Amino acid sequence: DAKTTQPPSMDCAEGRAANLPCNHSTISGNEYVYWYRQIHSQGPQYIIHGLKNNETNEMASLIITEDRKSSTLILPHATLRDTAVYYCIALPPSNDYKLSFGAGTTVTVRA
Amino acid sequence: DAGVIQSPRHEVTEMGQEVTLRCKPISGHNSLFWYRQTMMRGLELLIYFNNNVPIDDSGMPEDRFSAKMPNASFSTLKIQPSEPRDSAVYFCASSRSGGPMETQYFGPGTRLLVL
Repeated sequence: DAKTTQPPSMDCAEGRAANLPCNHSTISGNEYVYWYRQIHSQGPQYIIHGLKNNETNEMASLIITEDRKSSTLILPHATLRDTAVYYCIALPPSNDYKLSFGAGTTVTVRA
Repeated sequence: DAGVIQSPRHEVTEMGQEVTLRCKPISGHNSLFWYRQTMMRGLELLIYFNNNVPIDDSGMPEDRFSAKMPNASFSTLKIQPSEPRDSAVYFCASSRSGGPMETQYFGPGTRLLVL
């Protein structure tokens, strides 16, 4: 599984868009990029995933660069409830059940 | 839907004691996962069941750990004997199937402290 690199922390103003970067320069052609988040004292929560096209759902948008070496998770209108640790991971379809999180990005949304 | 249910939410025990963690997956989900999370090691998959059958137990640390899924609505993770290094948050998750890109839904976790 490709290694991913994320900034350790970032702040965001409530109501503004939060752009969370992730670097996965060694990603393989069949590996998907997944984003999960974990709010304090809760279990991880799935956000979105993608292969090479940009994806959007009710929670967020995922922008993957053309060379697939990096991606950005966009929370369009951050709320205080979006304060959490966000994890970016890259997994092949054959092994995508084996979630493994590193440090992630601690996002603090401020009023 | 009630979501994934785990019990107990907190467990404090002494070294050498047996610990049993319980999980009820979301109804209709065929796959169940047990994870462990610590500050040092992050989130690690311990074992994965599909249709009540263990598919991947490569993450189970050692013989002290065992997991069962006697039916589609219940699973246990047992540690016997427990050790202080087993202190962690243990999560259970379920998905509709174990197939690619199936979203895993996590329970609230059991916070285990072994003294």
